[in-house]
Amino acid sequence: QQQVRQSPQSLTVWEGETAILNCSYEDSTFDYFPWYWQFPRESPALLIAIRPVSNKKEDGRFTIFFNKREKKLSLHITDSQPGDSATYFCAAFPPSGYNKLTFGKGTVLLVSP
Amino acid sequence: ETAVFQTPNYHVTQVGNEVSFNCKQTLGHDTMYWYKQDSKKLLKIMFSYNNKQLIVNETVPRRFSPQSSDKAHLNLRIKSVEPEDSAVYLCASSLYWGGAYEQYFGPGTRLTVL
Repeated sequence: QQQVRQSPQSLTVWEGETAILNCSYEDSTFDYFPWYWQFPRESPALLIAIRPVSNKKEDGRFTIFFNKREKKLSLHITDSQPGDSATYFCAAFPPSGYNKLTFGKGTVLLVSP
Repeated sequence: ETAVFQTPNYHVTQVGNEVSFNCKQTLGHDTMYWYKQDSKKLLKIMFSYNNKQLIVNETVPRRFSPQSSDKAHLNLRIKSVEPEDSAVYLCASSLYWGGAYEQYFGPGTRLTVL
């Protein structure tokens, strides 16, 4: 059973456009949702994260929109740049006591100049 | 330099051999992890250690055995490797256990089993 789902599997946008990456989850007890990005031949690194007390989190060109009722979230990347081309992982974390980060399968984003 | 370090970067071996990977973090974190990332980039947790104690042991084959001498070091031994063990093994650390702390990943060890 896949607890964190991501779509699309891959996405291509033109430079300057807004890329939208989707994520949904099964377990309503998840209470922390980080997004990690991974560039080719590098390891994952934290990009931005949100807790369900908020429905929006912004960091520069990156914004997470969160819908707790529907158990969905999305990552919006405005003014996409070729340097944003990477694999983006949505992850979910349960309440404290069980330290296991569950990752989705990732969305491969390509930003064409 | 404070980071997560892994050795070796690459390892090529044959089916049935034993391999060992090393991880060291100089971030002063309490918690360390081993992840497996397959050819499709799927990331799966294998083990979690808190202050050198095994906390989480996901369903992995028994030929995998982690070991931690102190909270800064975490090793992984694979006895009798199988072709499906070919993957990138990522070590990570976080400040503490039991909370949503950022995980810092090492560069990974790419294992190829022939």
